[in-house]
Amino acid sequence: QKEVEQDPGPLSVPEGAIVSLNCTYSNSAFQYFMWYRQYSRKGPELLMYTYSSGNKEDGRFTAQVDKSSKYISLFIRDSQPSDSATYLCAMRTYNTDKLIFGTGTRLQVFP
Amino acid sequence: SQTIHQWPATLVQPVGSPLSLECTVEGTSNPNLYWYRQAAGRGLQLLFYSVGIGQISSEVPQNLSASRPQDRQFILSSKKLLLSDSGFYLCALRGTEGSPLHFGNGTRLTVT
Repeated sequence: QKEVEQDPGPLSVPEGAIVSLNCTYSNSAFQYFMWYRQYSRKGPELLMYTYSSGNKEDGRFTAQVDKSSKYISLFIRDSQPSDSATYLCAMRTYNTDKLIFGTGTRLQVFP
Repeated sequence: SQTIHQWPATLVQPVGSPLSLECTVEGTSNPNLYWYRQAAGRGLQLLFYSVGIGQISSEVPQNLSASRPQDRQFILSSKKLLLSDSGFYLCALRGTEGSPLHFGNGTRLTVT
């Protein structure tokens, strides 16, 4: 079993839709959770950085962490074609820099 | 602000040839630096990380090596490339303690 599981997609939605991206994990020691957006042929760009459980909102993006279920989500409201990219979840424990990544979900938002 | 420079953006090399990929960073001092490789459908794999000049930790034993000759320079090398070394190589930095990783725009390496 992988430490972090992420559906590879692709996920195709119309412009304006609410998008839900998810990751599950097995290591209960993970405490820091990140979402990165990666455009084709570019490096990952940090979108959201959260610690422990709860919600964090930044513009159209909301990150949600449920440690009891070992489940994290990224919601994108009013999705735009420019949101078309691969979204990677990542997480780490308290005392290490080593990030464990999901394999990424490819999202396509069509006009 | 922190900036990561990686070059070249793309590289095609024959099997058995040497490799040197360079990463330089700006806007930070004494960062932790990382080399990741991204293969299709397999996510990001940590290859090396460095907490300071001359300090290298290897995560995965393989055909590659890394060096950090200066505080803001991180180099990934190979003496003889294998077909399996093909991939997208990303340099990343962590500035202050507890801050998240930031990535450069990577080098796409194809070994033929």
